[in-house]
Amino acid sequence: GDSVTQMEGPVTLSEEAFLTINCTYTATGYPSLFWYVQYPGEGLQLLLKATKADDKGSNKGFEATYRKETTSFHLEKGSVQVSDSAVYFCALSDRANQGAQKLVFGQGTRLTINP
Amino acid sequence: NAGVTQTPKFRVLKTGQSMTLLCAQDMNHEYMYWYRQDPGMGLRLIHYSVGEGTTAKGEVPDGYNVSRLKKQNFLLGLESAAPSQTSVYFCASSYSGLAGDEQFFGPGTRLTVL
Repeated sequence: GDSVTQMEGPVTLSEEAFLTINCTYTATGYPSLFWYVQYPGEGLQLLLKATKADDKGSNKGFEATYRKETTSFHLEKGSVQVSDSAVYFCALSDRANQGAQKLVFGQGTRLTINP
Repeated sequence: NAGVTQTPKFRVLKTGQSMTLLCAQDMNHEYMYWYRQDPGMGLRLIHYSVGEGTTAKGEVPDGYNVSRLKKQNFLLGLESAAPSQTSVYFCASSYSGLAGDEQFFGPGTRLTVL
């Protein structure tokens, strides 16, 4: 079945450092790809997405490009801030029976940014 | 506009007890989902609903039941709680079932089964 693998954490960086969180996927079809972020004590919220190959999703300085040839969707940010400290989840979207969207998540990567 | 809300926020149960988790959304979304989040495993889909009066099984449905009597509410029930059901439970909703649609998540319910 479909699966998502993302780099294990935790990841600790200094403010203004460059961030990469790797994500690769396995899927039989052509899934949509997402990055969700979970801030402490909150639910998940969508950070960015890409729905077809070579699409680039971007938001709040974060970027990720849908690479079909390498089945990857790596998250990057050029200069991280303390407020970026959170858990980041890579996910892909499949359609379950009866037509509902089915999200498959990676295990999450905890990111801590030190001032 | 409250988005997706969940009740309760925390709960401790003893093995064998039952409880119901309530999820409510005010965005008029057709699709609703229940996930559980366990350390190192990401989120896994328990059950979902494609509209009022419908429910379907997800990846890990055993030990849970759900109901969607009203479009805005999605209830998750544990009839006889087990320690393996200790987890954080998230409800989510989406406007459509399209693959690229965003799901909106509630703040979660932390459940401990002793």
